[in-house]
Amino acid sequence: AQTVTQSQPEMSVQEAETVTLSCTYDTSENNYYLFWYKQPPSRQMILVIRQEAYKQQNATENRFSVNFQKAAKSFSLKISDSQLGDTAMYFCAFEGAQKLVFGQGTRLTINP
Amino acid sequence: EAGVAQSPRYKIIEKRQSVAFWCNPISGHATLYWYQQILGQGPKLLIQFQNNGVVDDSQLPKDRFSAERLKGVDSTLKIQPAKLEDSAVYLCASSLARQIYGYTFGSGTRLTVV
Repeated sequence: AQTVTQSQPEMSVQEAETVTLSCTYDTSENNYYLFWYKQPPSRQMILVIRQEAYKQQNATENRFSVNFQKAAKSFSLKISDSQLGDTAMYFCAFEGAQKLVFGQGTRLTINP
Repeated sequence: EAGVAQSPRYKIIEKRQSVAFWCNPISGHATLYWYQQILGQGPKLLIQFQNNGVVDDSQLPKDRFSAERLKGVDSTLKIQPAKLEDSAVYLCASSLARQIYGYTFGSGTRLTVV
């Protein structure tokens, strides 16, 4: 079974700083997708960024980028120029042939 | 486009009572998911529908949980009887072609069992 591990339960940075959230996963599959979701207090899971495993190029969405290391099974999220609105829970998720599996989450706080 | 609608937003019940949650997915999305998110954890899939058929219910506690998706659109998730450990947020999500467009989540129902 696939597992997703987020080793940082909480992180806190100052506004405008850069922060990196870590994620590792375990799978025997070769074709899969990886996601980072943001969950603000409204509880709705919002897709931040996605990465196809067959693509070597790291995905980027504005201030959000990933460092995908397939051999190491690592998928970290970098948030540049962090903003107060980035404060939320962040979940790393894996999807292979089966269901979408989430990590435990990292609570990120951006301080003014 | 309208998002995934869920109701109620909050529910408090006593243990051994029953409760039902409703989800209306995005129009045209064939696949619907129910997730359980216990406080401090990531969401866990309970059941997946493709149109009105069940694709995966391997993690659904079938002795107390049931779900249906009539006519392949709206879905209801029921718990009967509820236990204290069922306190969680229940999230509904839908997708059109998940590997292209991903998933769209609703805002969930927060259930508290006392």
